[in-house]
Amino acid sequence: GENVEQHPSTLSVQEGDSAVIKCTYSDSASNYFPWYKQELGKGPQLIIDIRSNVGEKKDQRIAVTLNKTAKHFSLHITETQPEDSAVYFCAAIYSGNTPLVFGKGTRLSVIA
Amino acid sequence: NAGVTQTPKFQVLKTGQSMTLQCAQDMNHNSMYWYRQDPGMGLRLIYYSASEGTTDKGEVPNGYNVSRLNKREFSLRLESAAPSQTSVYFCASTQGGNSKTEAFFGQGTRLTVV
Repeated sequence: GENVEQHPSTLSVQEGDSAVIKCTYSDSASNYFPWYKQELGKGPQLIIDIRSNVGEKKDQRIAVTLNKTAKHFSLHITETQPEDSAVYFCAAIYSGNTPLVFGKGTRLSVIA
Repeated sequence: NAGVTQTPKFQVLKTGQSMTLQCAQDMNHNSMYWYRQDPGMGLRLIYYSASEGTTDKGEVPNGYNVSRLNKREFSLRLESAAPSQTSVYFCASTQGGNSKTEAFFGQGTRLTVV
């Protein structure tokens, strides 16, 4: 089955700096890669996703890149703000009938 | 729309007690999931239901049972709670089928087994 590795487990950045979180996946059949943000006391929420026919996707200050050959994808947050502080999860899936497989999460702290 | 609703939000059980966690979604989604979240372990899949009438084991099914009551509801039962089941439990749903789309999560149930 699919296995998703996520690094780093914790990340601290100064407000205004960029943050990068990286994930690798094992199943070359996976073709959908979402990123979720979990704020304290809440369930995870989708912030951006990418499909395997696309190499990069941007939405304001966040972007995701995908390297299918190397089987890794990354989340980039620019101009970080204190409200970006949260736990971020990457995930991978190859079929709508199979569950998302999540990485272990990255706790991002943005220091004002 | 309420999205995914879980009840209860908090629960304390004694070892050996049983309980059922309830989950309902109002998005007409086909697939529903139960995950547990433990520090440093991420989100681990307990059971899922790809469609009404089907259920399958996930990564950590031991000690749990599920029921897909109808398309809206998917419950998780602990028959004899153990301290190792202390965790935060999340229910989620997706459209499923050929559609790989966003998973919606409930607010979570924080369970403590003493």
